[in-house]
Amino acid sequence: DSGVTQTPKHLITATGQRVTLRCSPRSGDLSVYWYQQSLDQGLQFLIQYYNGEERAKGNILERFSAQQFPDLHSELNLSSLELGDSALYFCASSVEGAGFSEQFFGPGTRLTVL
Amino acid sequence: GENVEQHPSTLSVQEGDSAVIKCTYSDSASNYFPWYKQELGKRPQLIIDIRSNVGEKKDQRIAVTLNKTAKHFSLHITETQPEDSAVYFCAATLPFFKTIFGAGTRLFVKA
Repeated sequence: DSGVTQTPKHLITATGQRVTLRCSPRSGDLSVYWYQQSLDQGLQFLIQYYNGEERAKGNILERFSAQQFPDLHSELNLSSLELGDSALYFCASSVEGAGFSEQFFGPGTRLTVL
Repeated sequence: GENVEQHPSTLSVQEGDSAVIKCTYSDSASNYFPWYKQELGKRPQLIIDIRSNVGEKKDQRIAVTLNKTAKHFSLHITETQPEDSAVYFCAATLPFFKTIFGAGTRLFVKA
């Protein structure tokens, strides 16, 4: 157990819908990262937050947004869902925000869009 | 932007043999290079990392080498065991910027 929690574990929804994925980082970690992993694919970096502020952005679609709250938990919002958004979404956390330390991954949320 | 290429995509070795996975990065400003192992259905976990001021790092059966000039870094696993079977990801990080992962190498260790 990495100490990073993600909810829900599984999510099944329909095209056009909106969902929210939640992540709680390890105690003491200030950085949260979001990744998308499609079937048999690598980890695509979406976005990073550090202590409530957006720190880095990857190839995140405009339909996706995220935020980190004062208690450091983070939410990833996916809207106008398409079939291609079906994937495993990982959240990771690290103690600092410069990218030099180990990222601890949560168990992931598996999103299925029908 | 930063790009990380990883080879091979699939690697099959006999138990006890060595396995080598190679990665190339594009941005010379990258200075942190972690390797993650992801077992089937599980989360990625860090197995070893190296910073740009170090050329080699070893941890038991696992070693990583970095050639900054060529922008190459490699993972070496010696005396492979069946439990080493997994997908391995290399990554490169630009300071205060994003971590870019390679596409992954699926390692099969045959008993």
